[in-house]
Amino acid sequence: GESVGLHLPTLSVQEGDNSIINCAYSNSASDYFIWYKQESGKGPQFIIDIRSNMDKRQGQRVTVLLNKTVKHLSLQIAATQPGDSAVYFCAENWDTGRRALTFGSGTRLQVQP
Amino acid sequence: NAGVTQTPKFQVLKTGQSMTLQCAQDMNHNSMYWYRQDPGMGLRLIYYSASEGTTDKGEVPNGYNVSRLNKREFSLRLESAAPSQTSVYFCASWTSNTEAFFGQGTRLTVV
Repeated sequence: GESVGLHLPTLSVQEGDNSIINCAYSNSASDYFIWYKQESGKGPQFIIDIRSNMDKRQGQRVTVLLNKTVKHLSLQIAATQPGDSAVYFCAENWDTGRRALTFGSGTRLQVQP
Repeated sequence: NAGVTQTPKFQVLKTGQSMTLQCAQDMNHNSMYWYRQDPGMGLRLIYYSASEGTTDKGEVPNGYNVSRLNKREFSLRLESAAPSQTSVYFCASWTSNTEAFFGQGTRLTVV
């Protein structure tokens, strides 16, 4: 079946550097994408979303880029902080009617002080 | 403002026992969802309810049943627990054009 996947299972960065987490999706019908952050023992927390009619969306220290041509999604975190250490998931909605999100397996971001 | 509340937070069951996981949201969302998360994995959809009175299967529904009791509450039942159902279960709710809000999870171990 179609699924969402991630290129890198673990990403280690230095505090203050920028982080880029990548995600590939295979369902061309997906129209809505979300990045979630999950800290140990907690539920996923929303970071930022983007719709398929957009290429880029910015939030506070985060930017999501969507490349529909190659079905690629990325999350950029500026000036990464220790508090950013977590597992990051991308999720896509491929069934507009039910708005059910399909999640990837996640990337662990480790921020080194 | 509690958001999405799940109970219990932890549970240990013996194989064959039954239990119900409770979920409630106070955001007046129409849609509610149950996911499971296995170690090192993403979240997989078990069942969802697009609106009060309706439920539908997700990716991994076998071994589970659900009830949308009212707009606020959506429960997940394991009739005969199996070790393969050891996982962390997350309830989520959302409405159109918004983010999904997740509960804190129920860590279930079946021995």
